[in-house]
Amino acid sequence: ILNVEQSPQSLHVQEGDSTNFTCSFPSSNFYALHWYRWETAKSPEALFVMTLNGDEKKKGRISATLNTKEGYSYLYIKGSQPEDSATYLCAFLYNAGNMLTFGGGTRLMVKP
Amino acid sequence: NAGVTQTPKFQVLKTGQSMTLQCAQDMNHEYMSWYRQDPGMGLRLIHYSVGAGITDQGEVPNGYNVSRSTTEDFPLRLLSAAPSQTSVYFCASRLTGTFYNEQFFGPGTRLTVL
Repeated sequence: ILNVEQSPQSLHVQEGDSTNFTCSFPSSNFYALHWYRWETAKSPEALFVMTLNGDEKKKGRISATLNTKEGYSYLYIKGSQPEDSATYLCAFLYNAGNMLTFGGGTRLMVKP
Repeated sequence: NAGVTQTPKFQVLKTGQSMTLQCAQDMNHEYMSWYRQDPGMGLRLIHYSVGAGITDQGEVPNGYNVSRSTTEDFPLRLLSAAPSQTSVYFCASRLTGTFYNEQFFGPGTRLTVL
């Protein structure tokens, strides 16, 4: 079982603040790194799938970077809004792309 | 497309009972998987399948069986339920072929074992 760690576990920010979270994963046998957004009482939804070292992805105010050599990815949210409140999960794809193991998530709460 | 569907949404079992959680997808995805979600533990992979007739164990397979007779369906069986299997279960699917493919999740089944 591989170790995928996310920090911080939870984060409270004010509306308009920018924030970022970290995902750490094994640097060997890397196939892809996924980011998901998970709202309460819903299912996780994919934000990004990243496969190349140095990848940067952006969707609106949310962006992510990837460093496969040192085993980390950052997720950034610019100008947080209350609707950004959710748990953000990262997941590491390994075993020839057959197994996706998830970190524990970062729970973001944005206060109006 | 309905995407990934799961039934039932809620279930209460007594210890020792058996049941099957249903999962279906209409996106012609080769890969399907089952996760359980427990407080403080995140999502943990139970079993997965890369196509009809092919299944394999994930991180926490004990107490669960799966089969994949069609591309669309991937049921999860609890043969003799235990309180430790109280959890929320998510089915997921994705295309294979490249590593860029995102995973789609069903709405979840909340299972309580008394």
